[in-house]
Amino acid sequence: AQSVTQPDIHITVSEGASLELRCNYSYGATPYLFWYVQSPGQGLQLLLKYFSGDTLVQGIKGFEAEFKRSQSSFNLRKPSVHWSDAAEYFCAVGASGGYQKVTFGTGTKLQVIP
Amino acid sequence: SAVISQKPSRDICQRGTSLTIQCQVDSQVTMMFWYRQQPGQSLTLIATANQGSEATYESGFVIDKFPISRPNLTFSTLTVSNMSPEDSSIYLCSGRGTLQETQYFGPGTRLLVL
Repeated sequence: AQSVTQPDIHITVSEGASLELRCNYSYGATPYLFWYVQSPGQGLQLLLKYFSGDTLVQGIKGFEAEFKRSQSSFNLRKPSVHWSDAAEYFCAVGASGGYQKVTFGTGTKLQVIP
Repeated sequence: SAVISQKPSRDICQRGTSLTIQCQVDSQVTMMFWYRQQPGQSLTLIATANQGSEATYESGFVIDKFPISRPNLTFSTLTVSNMSPEDSSIYLCSGRGTLQETQYFGPGTRLLVL
């Protein structure tokens, strides 16, 4: 069974600073990887996804993520954080077989300070 | 893209009662899912809603407690039965096509059981 670990529960960054959110996954085959964002009181929105090909994936809102198979990681990055990026971020891994379930990590809550 | 709506958006219920949550997708989706997000926690998959047949439940979730219907490709309901305060949570409906396609989420139903 697949699993996802987000080691940082809470991160605080200054507006304009760079951001990296960590994600490690466990899955026996080639993973399908996702990053979602959840703003307070809202549902989840897909930021980006990786299935195959180029290991550096560009997403919406200026986010990118890099798939590193050797490290089983899929870290999310943004070069300059905006106050509106304050939200909770979830990494997820999908299984290609069966009902193709997507398993979510525990989330990282991002706080942006002026 | 798909837009998913849920009703009700929130509710406060008495223990021992049941609540049915409706999920409507504005376009046909192959797969529909129900998730639970307990306060401060990640998303936990309750079940995959199957059109015209019984839902597929994850470990720890049973049909008697969470009966699910999916009469067509755009609509599903989740009932939380015989509620207790432990059922207080956000319940999210989700839909997508294949794993490579974007998974969309509804805004959630915030349930408080007293």
